Amino acid sequence: KNEVEQSPQNLTAQEGEFITINCSYSVGISALHWLQQHPGGGIVSLFMLSSGKKKHGRLIATINIQEKHSSLHITASHPRDSAVYICAVTGNQFYFGTGTSLTVIP
Amino acid sequence: DAGVIQSPRHEVTEMGQEVTLRCKPISGHNSLFWYRQTMMRGLELLIYFNNNVPIDDSGMPEDRFSAKMPNASFSTLKIQPSEPRDSAVYFCATGGSGPKAGELFFGEGSRLTVL
Repeated sequence: KNEVEQSPQNLTAQEGEFITINCSYSVGISALHWLQQHPGGGIVSLFMLSSGKKKHGRLIATINIQEKHSSLHITASHPRDSAVYICAVTGNQFYFGTGTSLTVIP
Repeated sequence: DAGVIQSPRHEVTEMGQEVTLRCKPISGHNSLFWYRQTMMRGLELLIYFNNNVPIDDSGMPEDRFSAKMPNASFSTLKIQPSEPRDSAVYFCATGGSGPKAGELFFGEGSRLTVL
């Protein structure tokens, strides 16, 4: 069993759509990270959360500690949002989700 | 700041050869992480350092792998001898400090192919 589960694994959306990617975890954590990996391979840290909600531009990340669940939302999606989004949690160890591959079609 | 700098970006080597990957962290960042990414296993944490001291190396797959951080501005990940199953992209990341404490900053990765 994976300590971090993401859904969906793959997602295709039309430009402008509202997108939600989910992350559930089963271990105690001190923080949760959302990472973005573009087709070129580079990884960028989008958010680090330990509670509540964070917003950056069109991206919103929320976390519910009691339910051990986090969501990443993209409003008004754009083709340049096409990437793999990875959820990672830090506690006693680092655990990674397997990623959600997002394709936004013009 | 130039960000996390990794070298080489690409390396192709033959089985049995020694491979050394290098990482220059962002100045002032106290934590440094080595990750490996493969299609089969996704991202895996190999080892991380805090203030140049290895804290958790439980992700290091075998004794063939070793990592060092002799000072705050340099780290290496060595594989000796290398095997084809070591082929992967190896990322170095550092942990932010101050207002960006806990945030991860990734290098562009070193793509290793072992023939």
